[in-house]
Order: sequence, then structure tokens, then C-alpha cells
Amino acid sequence: NAGVTQTPKFRILKIGQSMTLQCAQDMNHNYMYWYRQDPGMGLKLIYYSVGAGITDKGEVPNGYNVSRSTTEDFPLRLELAAPSQTSVYFCASSSGQLEIRNTIYFGEGSWLTVV
Amino acid sequence: AQRVTQPEKLLSVFKGAPVELKCNYSYSGSPELFWYVQYSRQRLQLLLRHISRESIKGFTADLNKGETSFHLKKPFAQEEDSAMYYCALTSGGSNYKLTFGKGTLLTVNP
Repeated sequence: NAGVTQTPKFRILKIGQSMTLQCAQDMNHNYMYWYRQDPGMGLKLIYYSVGAGITDKGEVPNGYNVSRSTTEDFPLRLELAAPSQTSVYFCASSSGQLEIRNTIYFGEGSWLTVV
Repeated sequence: AQRVTQPEKLLSVFKGAPVELKCNYSYSGSPELFWYVQYSRQRLQLLLRHISRESIKGFTADLNKGETSFHLKKPFAQEEDSAMYYCALTSGGSNYKLTFGKGTLLTVNP
């Protein structure tokens, strides 16, 4: 199993450009998440999904969109990149509810710089 | 609203010294608490969870509901423990989402 795979690892965007961060997991997990990590700020939840076709906003969804057409994939779309979106983005997945001994698995992260 | 506070951004100790990484939380219900670790150039991974009451890599953490704390402890730090440590919480109502603290960077000096 590859686990959670994110692409690209690094990207520089110009203000106003759009891009999609790809995320795939091969563990047949129902739950998938996107977090962003700003220096000294911990991880904040952007969007999450509890299954194919179901997505919901997290703590900081503005400026982002997601879709979940399959169990495996959970892409994150930035429509009009802004410097405030410069961050490290982590995709994650879990098989179920975290209080029932399920574990959340993280991708390696995607470093995005908006200039 | 639930919140996780890690008061120390940086913590530096010498090898063999005891280490304690502090975590306090605010949540009105019965949360589940976790510690996650991120070693250099590796992905974030689960270290331990309070419900398991286990010791992982010599680390333990006890949930103190009275003090709303979940401090991570190790009696004798090793150089390979140097990493970023995050305390995290999941609530009973939304038990598939984690709220993270800002993290503590632990450096163990030789």
C-alpha cells in the first residue's frame, strides 16, 4: 500500500492563478481530509469528506473547493490564488471514527507558494 | 468551541534528561486526545492516544480531566526523539475531525 499520496510536492503560483492539489489513498478509507499548516500555527482543517459524493467545510474553507467522486480521490482546488494561501497542505484519510481506535493517515505534504 | 493549547513552541533538552511536552485543551464534553509526531522529512504520524493507555517509544501521556491536560512525558530523552510534536483532540459529536495544537519543536542535544 502506498497510503496517502499527494501531488505536487512543491509548486509556485502567481496571484490569481488556479491549481488543483491531488490526493489519493489506496486503503479504501471513507474519511478524507485536507489540512493546511502555516508556520507556528498548527494544522487547520480546510475541507473533509465522509464518503464519495459527500463533502463539508472545515475551519478555513474560503478560497478552496473540493470534490469526492470516488472513494480513492479527494482533490483540493484553489481558484484564484492569493498570497494568504501560501502554506503546506496535508491530505489525510481514516477508515472511520477516530475514537474507535481508527487512525488518521497523512500524506507527505504539498508546499505551495503564491507570489 | 474546542481548542488545544501547546504553550511551548520550542523545547530543548539534553540526551538522558526527562522531557515533558505540555498540552491543555478546552472542550465541554468527553474528548479523545492524541499526540502526533513529525520527524524531519517524514510525514505526520500518530504517536499515541489516551484511550490506549500505552507507552510508545518510551513516551506516555495521561489525560487529566480536572486540569484538562494531556502532557507527553519521557523519562530519558534520546536524540532520535527530536521532532515536531502536535497534541490533537477529537470530540464526541464530530469524531472524525481533529483539532490540532500549534505544535512543539523538541530538540534533544547530545
